[in-house]
Amino acid sequence: DGGITQSPKYLFRKEGQNVTLSCEQNLNHDAMYWYRQDPGQGLRLIYYSQIVNDFQKGDIAEGYSVSREKKESFPLTVTSAQKNPTAFYLCASRLEEGRRAFFGQGTRLTVV
Amino acid sequence: QKEVEQDPGPLSVPEGAIVSLNCTYSNSAFQYFMWYRQYSRKGPELLMYTYSSGNKEDGRFTAQVDKSSKYISLFIRDSQPSDSATYLCAIENYGQNFVFGPGTRLSVLP
Repeated sequence: DGGITQSPKYLFRKEGQNVTLSCEQNLNHDAMYWYRQDPGQGLRLIYYSQIVNDFQKGDIAEGYSVSREKKESFPLTVTSAQKNPTAFYLCASRLEEGRRAFFGQGTRLTVV
Repeated sequence: QKEVEQDPGPLSVPEGAIVSLNCTYSNSAFQYFMWYRQYSRKGPELLMYTYSSGNKEDGRFTAQVDKSSKYISLFIRDSQPSDSATYLCAIENYGQNFVFGPGTRLSVLP
C-alpha cells in the first residue's frame, strides 16, 4: 500500500526535552511538508523540503528542526526552544508543486 | 486581510440536506484549489482538486471555483452523518506553498 506514515500517534514530552516525530512516505514524492494544527486554527507550515538534502523554513519554524537525508523520510524535531509545543502535527507529501498533497494521520504531542 | 477566509461554523444540518461550504481568497494569482475532509484526531483527506473555474463533480461532492469573485465552494448532496467532519479549503499559486483556510466544522444530524 502506498502512503504516508507518521509515528508515533501520541507523544508526551517533559519540558526541556527534544523529541523527534517521524514521517515516512513510499509514494516517491519529492516534496514533503510539516504542519502544526491548533484547535480552531488552520494548518500552519513549519518546514518543507522540495528535494533531498534541502529544506526551507515555513511560517513558524522557530523551535523546530528537520532533516531530509532520504527521499522517503522527513523527521521533525521539536526542540526545547519551542515555547508552546503541545499541538497536532501533520506531515504531507506530494510529487511536486501544483500537484495534490496527501497527509499522514498526524502525531499529537503533549508537553507534561 | 487573511489570504484565505472560511466560516469556522459549526454548521449543523439534517441528514439528506444539501450542504454548501465556502472559502474566499485575496490573491488573484492563486491557481490550484483543494478541499480536504478531516475527521477528529485524523489527518486531512483530499476530497477534490481543481485548477480551473467552473464545476467539478465526484459522486455526492461538487467543487465550484469562481476566479473572478475569488470564491470557491464545496457542495455535498444527500448529506450523511458520516460527512460530519471539518472541511478545509487549500489554495495555491504555483511556485509558492498552499494556504489553508481554518476549516468549517460540519455536523449532519440523523
